[in-house]
Amino acid sequence: EVQLVESGGGLVQPGGSLRLSCAASEFTFSNYWMHWVRQGPGKGLVWVSRVNIDGRSTNYADFVKGRFTISRDNAKNTLYLQMNSLRAEDTAIYYCVREHRAFDIWGQGTMVTVSS
Amino acid sequence: EIVMTQSPATLSVSPGERATLSCRASQSVSIKLAWYQQKPGQAPRLLIYGASTRATDIPARFSGSGSGTDFTLTISSLQSEDFAVYYCQQYNNWPPYTFGQGTKVEIK
Repeated sequence: EVQLVESGGGLVQPGGSLRLSCAASEFTFSNYWMHWVRQGPGKGLVWVSRVNIDGRSTNYADFVKGRFTISRDNAKNTLYLQMNSLRAEDTAIYYCVREHRAFDIWGQGTMVTVSS
Repeated sequence: EIVMTQSPATLSVSPGERATLSCRASQSVSIKLAWYQQKPGQAPRLLIYGASTRATDIPARFSGSGSGTDFTLTISSLQSEDFAVYYCQQYNNWPPYTFGQGTKVEIK
């Protein structure tokens, strides 16, 4: 079964850092652009970041630019999101998403809570 | 940034009835428009891409239409499993990729 499994979420203090991981299985990970999308508590979906197939091209939402870094390791079939200088408003479920004809495969999400 | 506006915010429908959801883009997105369904505690699921093409394993009761700035998702006969929140998303002009705020389809 095609699958994305996120990990690395948790409770972190404001100003702290976390690194999210997303393990891909049962598809050729290196053939697809990948994204992170987040959803705050009771809120809608918000795109965070995108990386191309070889990791050399990335884009970010303005509200994370300079704080978050997306990357991938195609040999390990894994997507990452390094999150620094975390703020309370970054509290959300973070979804790893594959792009193919829109966002076709979503992970189950990992919860990030930024609080003192 | 393209702003996606969905209406209504909440739609109350009886099982077996037709539901019509709208999505409007602040500028043309051609047909680069997708619809997603999200149930409580679950990740979103792709329903429609390219404005009108059903994704894999999506029942025929779901249909999408529109181009440019105005789009519609129609559920022809609501089943119990269709009560959920639906989001539209444009992927024509990015970054950022933008989503609508969602329409909640609830049981009347």
